Amino acid sequence: QVQLVESGGGVVQPGRSLRVSCAASGFTFSSYGMHWVRQTPGKGLEWVAVIWYDGSKRYYADSVKGRFTISRDNSKNTLFLQINSLRPEDTAVYYCARDIGDSSDFDYWGQGTLVTVSS
Amino acid sequence: SSELTQDPAVSVALGQTVRITCQGDSLRSYYASWFQQKPGQAPVLVMYTKNNRPSGIPDRFSGSNSGNTASLTITGAQAEDEADYYCNTRDSSDNHHVVFGGGTKLTVL
Repeated sequence: QVQLVESGGGVVQPGRSLRVSCAASGFTFSSYGMHWVRQTPGKGLEWVAVIWYDGSKRYYADSVKGRFTISRDNSKNTLFLQINSLRPEDTAVYYCARDIGDSSDFDYWGQGTLVTVSS
Repeated sequence: SSELTQDPAVSVALGQTVRITCQGDSLRSYYASWFQQKPGQAPVLVMYTKNNRPSGIPDRFSGSNSGNTASLTITGAQAEDEADYYCNTRDSSDNHHVVFGGGTKLTVL
């Protein structure tokens, strides 16, 4: 069965960096585009970034462009999100999600990893 | 970037029909997807492109589109349908981007 498991969250001081990961299993990871979506506690969902199935293209929300980097290692079935210059407003649960096919149809989601930016 | 607007809260009596709407200019160009999220859980896809229902989603869930509005209808709402519902779609101002609605909290009375 399809599984997405995020890890790497934690409490980080403002200005520091963090990398969160998403381990995929149960499907051919290299065939799917993957997204990161975040959710501030008690608030709504915010799309963060997408990476194509082969890593050839990446796109970011304006709110994170220049600070966040999405990447993937298809040999290890793992998706990454590098977050630099962390700000308090980056505090959120970060979800990875699989895209059915170059769309906004996210058919599988991980359980999320909480990133808290606080001094 | 474009926006999607949802009513913050909607309620429905047990067994009745409720429609949750999502409005935005991007919906004139792209279909909406719909996600159900219960407290402490990850979102679950309940409706996707061209109003398709993923396997395992009850057929009381249906989707429709008209102009700049997408709708998710629950016919015969059950207690377990109480949740937050989010729509999303491609951003027509940059179709490599995705935009989410603000979410609708559905209460089943």
